[in-house]
Amino acid sequence: TQLLEQSPQFLSIQEGENLTVYCNSSSVFSSLQWYRQEPGEGPVLLVTVVTGGEVKKLKRLTFQFGDARKDSSLHITAAQPGDTGLYLCAGVRDDKIIFGKGTRLHILP
Amino acid sequence: EAGVAQSPRYKIIEKRQSVAFWCNPISGHATLYWYQQILGQGPKLLIQFQNNGVVDDSQLPKDRFSAERLKGVDSTLKIQPAKLEDSAVYLCASSLGSGKIEAAFFGQGTRLTVV
Repeated sequence: TQLLEQSPQFLSIQEGENLTVYCNSSSVFSSLQWYRQEPGEGPVLLVTVVTGGEVKKLKRLTFQFGDARKDSSLHITAAQPGDTGLYLCAGVRDDKIIFGKGTRLHILP
Repeated sequence: EAGVAQSPRYKIIEKRQSVAFWCNPISGHATLYWYQQILGQGPKLLIQFQNNGVVDDSQLPKDRFSAERLKGVDSTLKIQPAKLEDSAVYLCASSLGSGKIEAAFFGQGTRLTVV
């Protein structure tokens, strides 16, 4: 069973559109992280959210942690081709980092 | 600051052969992770070290996989004998290991193909 479910698994949209990626779990995490992974590279941390209801912004990316600390979302405004990649959410619990399966995002120019 | 170093980058072996991967974490990072990432999936934790002690190896197939972290620094992951389903990218990551919020820094990974 997958502890963290991400949706959608794949998303292909036109440049300039907005999108939201979801990360859901039935488990509570002490914090939740979002990573981005490009082909041939390891994941790179984008953000960590710690407090229930917390919202963090990174340029055109907005991350939100659910009030119950079980789920999170990533919203991208005006997507650009450079946003293309695999987006991974990861829950931190008991000093372990557990990854979801990822959302593969493709932004068409 | 140097990142996490892994070698080799690529490895092709026949099934039933053995293979070893090496990882040098970021200097000063107490926690070291080995993840397996099968194509199209997220990384799956195989083993986690805190200094040179094992914190979690519950998902490590111990009949064929082994890992060690010498002197709490470098680590090696070995597979013997390899199976076709072991084809994956093996990622090493490290973190400070000093607090609750742990950002993991990843190496580029070793892509293993078992034929």
